[in-house]
Order: sequence, then structure tokens, then C-alpha cells
Amino acid sequence: GQNIDQPTEMTATEGAIVQINCTYQTSGFNGLFWYQQHAGEAPTFLSYNVLDGLEEKGRFSSFLSRSKGYSYLLLKELQMKDSASYLCAVTSVFKAAGNKLTFGGGTRVLVKP
Amino acid sequence: DVKVTQSSRYLVKRTGEKVFLECVQDMDHENMFWYRQDPGLGLRLIYFSYDVKMKEKGDIPEGYSVSREKKERFSLILESASTNQTSMYLCASSERLAVRNEQFFGPGTRLTVL
Repeated sequence: GQNIDQPTEMTATEGAIVQINCTYQTSGFNGLFWYQQHAGEAPTFLSYNVLDGLEEKGRFSSFLSRSKGYSYLLLKELQMKDSASYLCAVTSVFKAAGNKLTFGGGTRVLVKP
Repeated sequence: DVKVTQSSRYLVKRTGEKVFLECVQDMDHENMFWYRQDPGLGLRLIYFSYDVKMKEKGDIPEGYSVSREKKERFSLILESASTNQTSMYLCASSERLAVRNEQFFGPGTRLTVL
């Protein structure tokens, strides 16, 4: 089966850095996604990692270690609008659909002034 | 701009009612998915479809059925709604053979069953 763990909630100050960790156990691993979800809205794509290492995109970076079953999302220069839930999702090969996403419970990040 | 739309943002139904949730995507995607999202549990896959009239059970299919008569439309059906089906329902779509297989989500339907 699949098991994905991430912290439930984190609080940080505007302008600071926050790191959200995600650990997973899965079979047929085919990549890891991070999504952002503001309250009452649809999840939106942030990043995708399939190879080990760091992917940087502006203020957001995502890291993957396949051997350790570990990823993190790094949010730099936090802004109030970054207050949202961050969803870690592992993709694995699944029947005819190609890939299936299995989500962690999400980490709610609260940015304070 | 890619778009996934869902028929209702909020829905209130009574126990035992038959409930239809509709999802439409305009990206010509083969795959479509239905999830429910509950606090602390994340998104859990109910059903998915990889082609017209094709469907596969996800992780929590009990109490639900689906219909895909056209490529752009995927319906979730609660045959007899129960209070434990009160949840946020999210639809998503993706290309079937893309390397990244990113899923695009609709805005969600918050269903309350009384």
C-alpha cells in the first residue's frame, strides 16, 4: 500500500523560510507532486520531482530523495498570501490510467505578520 | 487556460436521496478522477475513468458509482446519500500518457447530507 506523512500544521512569520517535510512508502514510485490549496479552492500545481535533487522555482523549491522516501517543500520570503494547505502527493503506475496520485493529509501553513 | 468545472459549489441533501455531482473538463484529457477531501485524511480517490465508458475503483468506492458517457464529462453518483458522505468532493483530469501526468482540479463541491 501507500503511506504518506506530512505535518498537520506549521506557523511562520512573514519574510521567513518554512520547510514542509513529506515522507512516503510506496510501490511503483513514479514521481512526487506538491500542490497548494487555499481554503475553499482547488489544489493547484507547485512542483514535480522524479529524480533526486532540488528543483527551484522562484520562492519555492522542492527536494527529493528516492532512496530515503523523503521530500520537502521550501517556501522562502514568506508572504501572507502563502497561507494555505500544501499537499504532498506520490504518483505511481496504476492500471490503465497511467499514474495514480496518493495524497498525504496536507500541511496547513499559517503566515503571521 | 485549462479548466475543470463542477456543477455546484455547495449542495445540501437529505439522507436517502440520490445525488449527482457533475464534472466537465475542456482539455480533451483521457483520465478523470473523483476524490473526497476530509480534514486530516487528505484527498482519497473514489473512482477514476481512463476513457469513455471505462471506470476503475479507487481506494474508497463503497456507496458511490460513476458514469462517463462523453470524454469531457464525468459524473459521481451517490445512490442513497448518508451522513458519512458529507464531505468536499473534488474532480480532476489528466492526460493518460504524459510523462508527468499532472492532474488539474475543479473548484470542489461541498456536500452536506442531513
